[in-house]
Amino acid sequence: KNEVEQSPQNLTAQEGEFITINCSYSVGISALHWLQQHPGGGIVSLFMLSSGKKKHGRLIATINIQEKHSSLHITASHPRDSAVYICAVLSYNTDKLIFGTGTRLQVFP
Amino acid sequence: DAGITQSPRHKVTETGTPVTLRCHQTENHRYMYWYRQDPGHGLRLIHYSYGVKDTDKGEVSDGYSVSRSKTEDFLLTLESATSSQTSVYFCAISDRVDTEAFFGQGTRLTVV
Repeated sequence: KNEVEQSPQNLTAQEGEFITINCSYSVGISALHWLQQHPGGGIVSLFMLSSGKKKHGRLIATINIQEKHSSLHITASHPRDSAVYICAVLSYNTDKLIFGTGTRLQVFP
Repeated sequence: DAGITQSPRHKVTETGTPVTLRCHQTENHRYMYWYRQDPGHGLRLIHYSYGVKDTDKGEVSDGYSVSRSKTEDFLLTLESATSSQTSVYFCAISDRVDTEAFFGQGTRLTVV
């Protein structure tokens, strides 16, 4: 079993829909990252959080340390949000990032 | 955008040849990392550096070596490339282990 699990693996949505991507982890962590990767492109950091909630524009990230779970929400989704979203946790024991396999999101007009 | 550049962006090489990938940063960040990205796997750490001449192995280091002679450059070398090393390679930098990481654009390497 992977230490970081994301769901769903693939997600399609119509423009304007509210989207949720989930990340569960099984190790002790110091922080959790949400990353975005466009097709053929590099990886961009969206959020780093260790508690509570962060918001940036239409993106909201939450984390529940007790339940070892984080969610990434996209409000009013747009086709330009189409990308792979990656969850990564910073292991408390090793100080290394452990990555999920990503959620591929496609938003259609 | 963080100043991090990978070169080359694409490379095709033959089995058994040596290959060196370069990561260059202009942020003066202490930590530099090399990851590989393969279908069905999350990014996996190959090697990392925590300072000039200070490097250590990651989870998939076999067949790879690294060097960091200057703060700004981190080189990944495949001494004798194999087809299993066909992958997309990402470099990342961070100021501390617990701060935001910045990633390069990736290098797509094909070993034929």
